[in-house]
Amino acid sequence: EAGVAQSPRYKIIEKRQSVAFWCNPISGHATLYWYQQILGQGPKLLIQFQNNGVVDDSQLPKDRFSAERLKGVDSTLKIQPAKLEDSAVYLCASSLWHTTYEQYFGPGTRLTVT
Amino acid sequence: TQLLEQSPQFLSIQEGENLTVYCNSSSVFSSLQWYRQEPGEGPVLLVTVVTGGEVKKLKRLTFQFGDARKDSSLHITAAQPGDTGLYLCAGGKETSGSRLTFGEGTQLTVNP
Repeated sequence: EAGVAQSPRYKIIEKRQSVAFWCNPISGHATLYWYQQILGQGPKLLIQFQNNGVVDDSQLPKDRFSAERLKGVDSTLKIQPAKLEDSAVYLCASSLWHTTYEQYFGPGTRLTVT
Repeated sequence: TQLLEQSPQFLSIQEGENLTVYCNSSSVFSSLQWYRQEPGEGPVLLVTVVTGGEVKKLKRLTFQFGDARKDSSLHITAAQPGDTGLYLCAGGKETSGSRLTFGEGTQLTVNP
């Protein structure tokens, strides 16, 4: 069974530029999560999708971050414009259903904003 | 507010030693999970505990959920260099669906 796929693995941009990350969850997993992990910290949930609907986006900085999962499978996370403090690893995870705690993570995208 | 506090934050030991990592909270959780994360990779689920007082063993790793479901511990026996990584605990609450709250992690280094 293929795991969660993410791309790109690394991205370096200048502040005020925009960037997009892509995630393909495990086949059949209805729930998809985007996390931000700053160096030395645990992952922080940004947004949670159930199929193509948003379940929780309370910690998403909506003035600059957006995410979509149009067909209930792949998802993209966008930052526009980026700030220095957005430098972090962006992790995508999926789970079978929104009531199951077991989450499976992708390798993450390491973003550096200069 | 950090709901889950892990200790120690850093731990460096020699191969063959035993160690315990702690995850504490003032909140009650429906479940508690432990993940291990290696550099450049995402966290990998090690175990889920859901019952107060529950003990689970995974080879040389022993996980315990506190009786009150507010804390957990991870004990590693005879640590090996392959155990090196960031150990994260994460708590889930029924009122929050499948949303997990992660601790800050314990960075473990096992020296050969």
